[in-house]
Amino acid sequence: NAGVTQTPKFQVLKTGQSMTLQCAQDMNHNSMYWYRQDPGMGLRLIYYSASEGTTDKGEVPNGYNVSRLNKREFSLRLESAAPSQTSVYFCASSEGPPFSNQPQHFGDGTRLSIL
Amino acid sequence: TQLLEQSPQFLSIQEGENLTVYCNSSSVFSSLQWYRQEPGEGPVLLVTVVTGGEVKKLKRLTFQFGDARKDSSLHITAAQPGDTGLYLCAGAMSASKIIFGSGTRLSIRP
Repeated sequence: NAGVTQTPKFQVLKTGQSMTLQCAQDMNHNSMYWYRQDPGMGLRLIYYSASEGTTDKGEVPNGYNVSRLNKREFSLRLESAAPSQTSVYFCASSEGPPFSNQPQHFGDGTRLSIL
Repeated sequence: TQLLEQSPQFLSIQEGENLTVYCNSSSVFSSLQWYRQEPGEGPVLLVTVVTGGEVKKLKRLTFQFGDARKDSSLHITAAQPGDTGLYLCAGAMSASKIIFGSGTRLSIRP
């Protein structure tokens, strides 16, 4: 009954380091999403994927890359981390096409600090 | 830039009181969702509203979608400490766009 699993839960990086945030869902959902959540700004969409092998930019894609490895997994990569990327990152998935009326199921987040 | 404004940002009330929080925009949405988020966890869907003027009830929670599909409200009757959390609204604008409000942080005092 895992739903959406994100790893790691916490990470501290130095400016310029790279890392990949992992996300996997076991609900056979077509659509997957990456958001960042900052105080007072709500959730902002970074990238999304409608199906395996396809990805599209969201509202704030700069500084990030994504990979939809298969139907289950959708990873987010920071190539050269910057302090402005300090945030809580959430992965989500949903049935059917993106942004339909279907609920998005969220993971518990990755808390990322860039020093 | 399309915005989804939620008010109030913070609300602290006594157990048993009623409250209403609001989600407003100048944009029209094809659907609107309300989520509740607890510390250290991801948001969890409460309800989806699709039709202008639609009212949905979930136990003590009543959700309304505005007639013009630009705004929504969440009313809680007889609030309980378990209702404490961050309430987020999210509007779907098209097949490629969704925007989240910044949330209302609700605290219910026993």
